[in-house]
Amino acid sequence: DTGVSQDPRHKITKRGQNVTFRCDPISEHNRLYWYRQTLGQGPEFLTYFQNEAQLEKSRLLSDRFSAERPKGSFSTLEIQRTEQGDSAMYLCASSASTDTQYFGPGTRLTVL
Amino acid sequence: QKEVEQNSGPLSVPEGAIASLNCTYSDRVSQSFFWYRQYSGKSPELIMSIYSNGDKEDGRFTAQLNKASQYVSLLIRDSQPSDSATYLCAVNTNLMRETSGSRLTFGEGTQLTVNP
Repeated sequence: DTGVSQDPRHKITKRGQNVTFRCDPISEHNRLYWYRQTLGQGPEFLTYFQNEAQLEKSRLLSDRFSAERPKGSFSTLEIQRTEQGDSAMYLCASSASTDTQYFGPGTRLTVL
Repeated sequence: QKEVEQNSGPLSVPEGAIASLNCTYSDRVSQSFFWYRQYSGKSPELIMSIYSNGDKEDGRFTAQLNKASQYVSLLIRDSQPSDSATYLCAVNTNLMRETSGSRLTFGEGTQLTVNP
């Protein structure tokens, strides 16, 4: 049973650098979500794909953030010109036709 | 008013007791409700989903939903030290609304400690 996978699991970068994260959803799931979680808070929605179409973006997603899901399989989340406030756990989740979402292990980003 | 509110805790119960976790939500058109468990440093793990008013039981866990009161709860019977974690309540608003899509809105979580 292959769950949602994310890569890398940890990323340390310097302020101003660009970073890219990858998410591979559960194979038969057509919906993919990105969330961000900071310490002591619940996850906050960033963006949502159904197949390859990006259907919704949160106001939290500034224009330094971009997400893609080419061919409706894996997805990437890129953050340009990282800031210290971007330090967080970035979570990917996927779902099938139901709305039950299953989360990957997350990518912990630290911006120095 | 926050969209999803939980008692921040921490909640501490002795081993074998019932732990009760509560959650209220503000959007009356919310359709789907979820409880996730999150161990420190790990990602959320789905425990229960509930869609209709009433109780839903799964092993030691019971989810309760009251849409009129906009309230959802999670009971953990015979609590074990391994249940010590943060419990996240999540709400999925009506999928028909263009602005909400399929997003989950989470509460801040309730930290539960089960003491041996």
